[in-house]
Amino acid sequence: QSALTQPASVSGSPGQSITISCTGTSSDVGGYNYVSWYQHHPGKAPKLMISTVSNRPSGVSYRFSGSKSGYTASLTISGLQAEDEADYYCASYRRGNTYAFGTGTKVTVL
Amino acid sequence: QVQLVQSGAEVKKPGASVKVSCRASGYTFSTYNFHWVRQAPGQGLEYMGWIYAGNGDSTYSHNFQGRVTITRDTSATTVYMEMSSLRSEDTAVYYCAREKPADGWFDPWGQGTQVTVSS
Repeated sequence: QSALTQPASVSGSPGQSITISCTGTSSDVGGYNYVSWYQHHPGKAPKLMISTVSNRPSGVSYRFSGSKSGYTASLTISGLQAEDEADYYCASYRRGNTYAFGTGTKVTVL
Repeated sequence: QVQLVQSGAEVKKPGASVKVSCRASGYTFSTYNFHWVRQAPGQGLEYMGWIYAGNGDSTYSHNFQGRVTITRDTSATTVYMEMSSLRSEDTAVYYCAREKPADGWFDPWGQGTQVTVSS
């Protein structure tokens, strides 16, 4: 079973917006709205940033937003800040009562 | 305070088994699903499987079926992940995470448990 596809790295200058894509198939991203996004700093627990495609949990900055079109989900970070530098992972429910994570994207703030 | 607290680091020899625990507190344990995810050195997050704490039903990712067993002890509000026939490639940080049934997202997560497989 393969992971969802994300770009290995994305970078931007402070204040800019960046978008991370997450591409799957009809068995996961394309077939369900159970797509979520996680921020992961090395050595720490992953943090939920977006649930069910585009919902932002309480306490998560408004600068984070999510969307989905077809087999691809996206996470956009607007007004990029130094503290946003981390690894980001998408996750999706997958047919067969299981889940899959994306390959992960390293975000660098220039 | 809602939190998941995992057991400490483990060092195992190839072929051995390991059992990692994840203790939940701050909410009604039996009404949630608990998932296990791992991250090997230099790799991404890898989904392993989950259990419904209410009745103990579990489901495993194809990559781990037959080698991983997820169980729970409702009296201890603790979930366990046991992996057998360990090999060096199983060296990783193992995380547990909570999901409200049918929500499809994981929050909170445990702090992670380092499992090292080395001869």
